[in-house]
Amino acid sequence: DAKTTQPPSMDCAEGRAANLPCNHSTISGNEYVYWYRQIHSQGPQYIIHGLKNNETNEMASLIITEDRKSSTLILPHATLRDTAVYYCIVRVVANAGKSTFGDGTTLTVKP
Amino acid sequence: DVKVTQSSRYLVKRTGEKVFLECVQDMDHENMFWYRQDPGLGLRLIYFSYDVKMKEKGDIPEGYSVSREKKERFSLILESASTNQTSMYLCASRPEFSGEVISGYTFGSGTRLTVV
Repeated sequence: DAKTTQPPSMDCAEGRAANLPCNHSTISGNEYVYWYRQIHSQGPQYIIHGLKNNETNEMASLIITEDRKSSTLILPHATLRDTAVYYCIVRVVANAGKSTFGDGTTLTVKP
Repeated sequence: DVKVTQSSRYLVKRTGEKVFLECVQDMDHENMFWYRQDPGLGLRLIYFSYDVKMKEKGDIPEGYSVSREKKERFSLILESASTNQTSMYLCASRPEFSGEVISGYTFGSGTRLTVV
């Protein structure tokens, strides 16, 4: 699986959009981009995933660049409860379990 | 509400003890995973299983074994606990891949194990 690079920390004002970047320059054609988040003392929670098209669900939007070497997770209106560590991973479809979670980005939403 | 349940939230064990961490999922998922999480090291995969009685080593299997006798239950075993196995242990499950789309993982709440 391709390696990902994320900034270690970010701040965001409550009510504003939080844009979390992820670089995956060695991504291959059959690898999906996944985002998870982990709120303190809980297990990671799935947010969204995509292959090459932009995706949106009730939690967030995922923007993937045309060359697929980077992506951005967007929380459109961040709340204090969105404070968490956000993980970006890339994974081959049908890969049974070799996903590697790095250190992620610690997002702090401030009032 | 579907979920992954880990039997203990906090556990304290002595060096040399045999430790069992239990994980149960009620989603009929084929795949189950054990990770450990340590500051600065992120989540590291210990073992995973893609079917009953099947298991595969992850990135850091040394000092651990697993058991999957039933589809819904995946146990992590520390044969002889050591202080460097003090960590947060996370269990996860997800369904088998079918077609184009693969679902995300569902994680348990974690077991914080302290070996003294």
